[in-house]
Amino acid sequence: DGGITQSPKYLFRKEGQNVTLSCEQNLNHDAMYWYRQDPGQGLRLIYYSQIVNDFQKGDIAEGYSVSREKKESFPLTVTSAQKNPTAFYLCASSTTGSAFHMNTEAFFGQGTRLTVV
Amino acid sequence: GESVGLHLPTLSVQEGDNSIINCAYSNSASDYFIWYKQESGKGPQFIIDIRSNMDKRQGQRVTVLLNKTVKHLSLQIAATQPGDSAVYFCAENSNTGFQKLVFGTGTRLLVSP
Repeated sequence: DGGITQSPKYLFRKEGQNVTLSCEQNLNHDAMYWYRQDPGQGLRLIYYSQIVNDFQKGDIAEGYSVSREKKESFPLTVTSAQKNPTAFYLCASSTTGSAFHMNTEAFFGQGTRLTVV
Repeated sequence: GESVGLHLPTLSVQEGDNSIINCAYSNSASDYFIWYKQESGKGPQFIIDIRSNMDKRQGQRVTVLLNKTVKHLSLQIAATQPGDSAVYFCAENSNTGFQKLVFGTGTRLLVSP
């Protein structure tokens, strides 16, 4: 089935460690996104990528890094520089159609819950 | 508008009532809007979308209304059911250069039996 897969579902990190969250999609989408969600709050954009080998900072990129070496993969690394990393992380993908009639809805993974211990 | 980490507003309704969830967007160049539903511990799921050349679109039990004059979007859910309890987000997709999705803050819908 086509879709977007995040792994792991739960992740525990010790303070000072880097961790990498996986996001894979087989929808042939050009654009991919990472969002952070804190309890009872909305989605905040961390990074996004329009195309392979290109990515842009979102609203809260500090302490995070990404790569986009393959179209289907957009891993997120939460570095030790991120002071408050405990959150629910969501990955999404979409088409980047420039024509007005093309739908560009985003499809989301089921999320990774990261906890710092 | 963009999510800025604010705490979610909550709408409480009784089962069978109609629910209306509102969203204000900021970019007048946005031409495509989406409503998502997010259940606890899961990723958001697509509900319904609308383009800026329309002011109303209907789905199954849901209707989206778009008022471009005041940059306002609403989601109407008819005969609300307990299974509709979730957080609802609107998203806008501008048509200027790269089409980055921008999410609203979200509204929590609580449906009482």
